[in-house]
Amino acid sequence: AQKITQTQPGMFVQEKEAVTLDCTYDTSDQSYGLFWYKQPSSGEMIFLIYQGSYDEQNATEGRYSLNFQKARKSANLVISASQLGDSAMYFCAMREGFGSNYQLIWGAGTKLIIKP
Amino acid sequence: GAVVSQHPSWVICKSGTSVKIECRSLDFQATTMFWYRQFPKQSLMLMATSNEGSKATYEQGVEKDKFLINHASLTLSTLTVTSAHPEDSSFYICSARYLAGSVYNEQFFGPGTRLTVL
Repeated sequence: AQKITQTQPGMFVQEKEAVTLDCTYDTSDQSYGLFWYKQPSSGEMIFLIYQGSYDEQNATEGRYSLNFQKARKSANLVISASQLGDSAMYFCAMREGFGSNYQLIWGAGTKLIIKP
Repeated sequence: GAVVSQHPSWVICKSGTSVKIECRSLDFQATTMFWYRQFPKQSLMLMATSNEGSKATYEQGVEKDKFLINHASLTLSTLTVTSAHPEDSSFYICSARYLAGSVYNEQFFGPGTRLTVL
């Protein structure tokens, strides 16, 4: 079974609208972390936001917020007031445990295109 | 913030040659570095994890004799694609992590290297 599921292969959104990118995860660990990365066409992976499993509040970073619903095992990324520069691939990833040699488990990604 | 560089950013080589890709952490000491491979329109595939001074741990299905990884110092890891063939053409990305200074030990990614084997 996939540990990270991103159900939206692609999305078109009008500029200035808010957009929600879905991510669900599967883990039996109590301690884990969830990341969102942006990958523009240049290829670089840009860290956006992180949510720890014990964090009581949803993470926010500027226009990015993470809608963390632990019981539903979802960690959706919300981008407010989308901009043309937000067009990119977006990946959700999970870290299980706090061991020093953890790996990131990656979702398949969502291609977001912002329309002017 | 933590910066990771990769060199070269792109390389074209002939089939049968070897290619070395460098990954450097510029402003921090990376206790662990990761090498990923990414095919077009796909997610990242972890190839191997390397800790400074020890042998890399390769993921299942990754040929360790073909993809040589050396993590000789806390700021440098290299990936050498030996006897490259067209099917090795891909986007290779490294990331680095340090244990201290980060609450959640995020991985910092290099800009990637696009390898094309003719």
